Amino acid sequence: DTGVSQDPRHKITKRGQNVTFRCDPISEHNRLYWYRQTLGQGPEFLTYFQNEAQLEKSRLLSDRFSAERPKGSFSTLEIQRTEQGDSAMYLCASGPPRDREGYTFGSGTRLTVV
Amino acid sequence: GEDVEQSLFLSVREGDSSVINCTYTDSSSTYLYWYKQEPGAGLQLLTYIFSNMDMKQDQRLTVLLNKKDKHLSLRIADTQTGDSAIYFCAEIPTGGFKTIFGAGTRLFVKA
Repeated sequence: DTGVSQDPRHKITKRGQNVTFRCDPISEHNRLYWYRQTLGQGPEFLTYFQNEAQLEKSRLLSDRFSAERPKGSFSTLEIQRTEQGDSAMYLCASGPPRDREGYTFGSGTRLTVV
Repeated sequence: GEDVEQSLFLSVREGDSSVINCTYTDSSSTYLYWYKQEPGAGLQLLTYIFSNMDMKQDQRLTVLLNKKDKHLSLRIADTQTGDSAIYFCAEIPTGGFKTIFGAGTRLFVKA
């Protein structure tokens, strides 16, 4: 297993366009998280999946954001009608079922909205 | 409320010890973590401590937890230039799913 993979690594888009990011977690991990990180800040929680169920969603996530994990494996995060304030690093992380000893992060997708 | 605070910068000489401090406000937190982030990379879990412990040592890393003062520290012995990175303190409040991160402490190691 090569860890948590995120695709693409970088995305530049024009304001108003839709973008979709993909995360492939470690295969035996049933917990999956999306975080957003802006320059000089720590990651901010966006949403959490346990298997295919989305169990928690941050108030930071406006209606323009949607996340899915259809078969409990990979996940996608879509941002509709992007705004300049959406520019950030989007991080995915996964963790095993009963282990609260932290989780494994991917390298992130850096989004720039111009 | 949930909040994790850290100082923003720390500069040390190679070979010295580094101590990075963190305070948290949620007294119900059961799990506390230190993550490391190098430029352009995701976060790497360095170590963790459960709230029923007051110290944990792992090679060059020592974590100290003072639950009364809600203070967590990370000591790196014999700091190397490769330790230059941003270090994040984080907590998972009891009963929660999400990890709350501090803003990170940028460690500079001078040769």
